[in-house]
Amino acid sequence: ETGVTQSPTHLIKTRGQQVTLRCSSQSGHNTVSWYQQALGQGPQFIFQYYREEENGRGNFPPRFSGLQFPNYSSELNVNALELDDSALYLCASILYTGTGGNEQFFGPGTRLTVL
Amino acid sequence: AQSVTQLDSQVPVFEEAPVELRCNYSSSVSVYLFWYVQYPNQGLQLLLKYLSGSTLVESINGFEAEFNKSQTSFHLRKPSVHISDTAEYFCAVSNTGGFKTIFGAGTRLFVKA
Repeated sequence: ETGVTQSPTHLIKTRGQQVTLRCSSQSGHNTVSWYQQALGQGPQFIFQYYREEENGRGNFPPRFSGLQFPNYSSELNVNALELDDSALYLCASILYTGTGGNEQFFGPGTRLTVL
Repeated sequence: AQSVTQLDSQVPVFEEAPVELRCNYSSSVSVYLFWYVQYPNQGLQLLLKYLSGSTLVESINGFEAEFNKSQTSFHLRKPSVHISDTAEYFCAVSNTGGFKTIFGAGTRLFVKA
């Protein structure tokens, strides 16, 4: 158990809808990263937040957006859902101490299916 | 830009046999290297990492990986696998300035009795 929780566990949406996924970071961690893991592939970096500010983004369109709250919980929002958005969405909680190589603690993921 | 190539999508092996999961990376800057394991219906767990120092790193459950800068590789090995090692293994790289991580496509290790 990593102490990182995600909700919901599973979600089914239709094309064009909007979705919000939630992540509760490990206590004391100030950074969260979100990843998309399509079936049979490795996780793809979406973005990361450090102390409520986005400070890194992967190759995802603006309809993927996020928030990090003062208690370091976070949300991933996806607008105008497309079929290819069907995937496992993972959040990773990190205690960033000023240098790289910090361990990421992953939640169990949210399985999103877009019909 | 950085990239990671895991050369085998699936590796079947008998219990108690040795195994090597291969990983090559590409980067124009210094990197940190990681191996993560994912069990069915779970998130990823860090298995081991290379930041600096000794090029051979070990995990608590018998896995080891060796950083080879000249060959840009970070292969994962275990001398004797168990049924419980059956899982998906991901090699990953991040630059030393931050923690954006690039993952490979994964290698499914299947240990047979």
